[in-house]
Amino acid sequence: GENVEQHPSTLSVQEGDSAVIKCTYSDSASNYFPWYKQELGKRPQLIIDIRSNVGEKKDQRIAVTLNKTAKHFSLHITETQPEDSAVYFCAASRRGFSDNYGQNFVFGPGTRLSVLP
Amino acid sequence: DGGITQSPKYLFRKEGQNVTLSCEQNLNHDAMYWYRQDPGQGLRLIYYSQIVNDFQKGDIAEGYSVSREKKESFPLTVTSAQKNPTAFYLCASSGRGGATETQYFGPGTRLLVL
Repeated sequence: GENVEQHPSTLSVQEGDSAVIKCTYSDSASNYFPWYKQELGKRPQLIIDIRSNVGEKKDQRIAVTLNKTAKHFSLHITETQPEDSAVYFCAASRRGFSDNYGQNFVFGPGTRLSVLP
Repeated sequence: DGGITQSPKYLFRKEGQNVTLSCEQNLNHDAMYWYRQDPGQGLRLIYYSQIVNDFQKGDIAEGYSVSREKKESFPLTVTSAQKNPTAFYLCASSGRGGATETQYFGPGTRLLVL
């Protein structure tokens, strides 16, 4: 089955610097890769996603890159701000548990990002 | 994701007791999901449902049960068979439950054992 690894588990950067979080997945059939941001005690919120037919997607200070051959995808945050401090989760789609059931997600263990003022 | 609600925000369970967590959505989404989140860990799939009156076990279904009698509702029961139920429980929904459908999360229920 699908397995998603995420590194690093914690990341501290100075305000204004860039942050990069990397995830690897095992199932070559995975074709959708969302990233979620979760603030303490809150729900995960989608920040960006990428589908397997593109290699890169950007939304203002956030970008995601996908390398299907190597089976890894990365989140890039530029010009980090204190409000970027949170836990970030990557996820990869996987086949359903039966032929009649749709795909679902496997989540990585998360990266705690701290942006220091 | 403001259209997904979960209640209660906090829930206390006594040993041997079954408790039910509520999840409601008004987004007209077909698919709904339940995840468990333990401190410092990612989200693990408990159950999911793509359509009314049908659901599928996820990775950690033992000790849990669900029902999907209405499109808008997907309650989760934590049974006495779940020996370590303390966790943050998150419900999610998506349009059709397909490979490229974004999941939107509810605010979560924190379950504690007395």
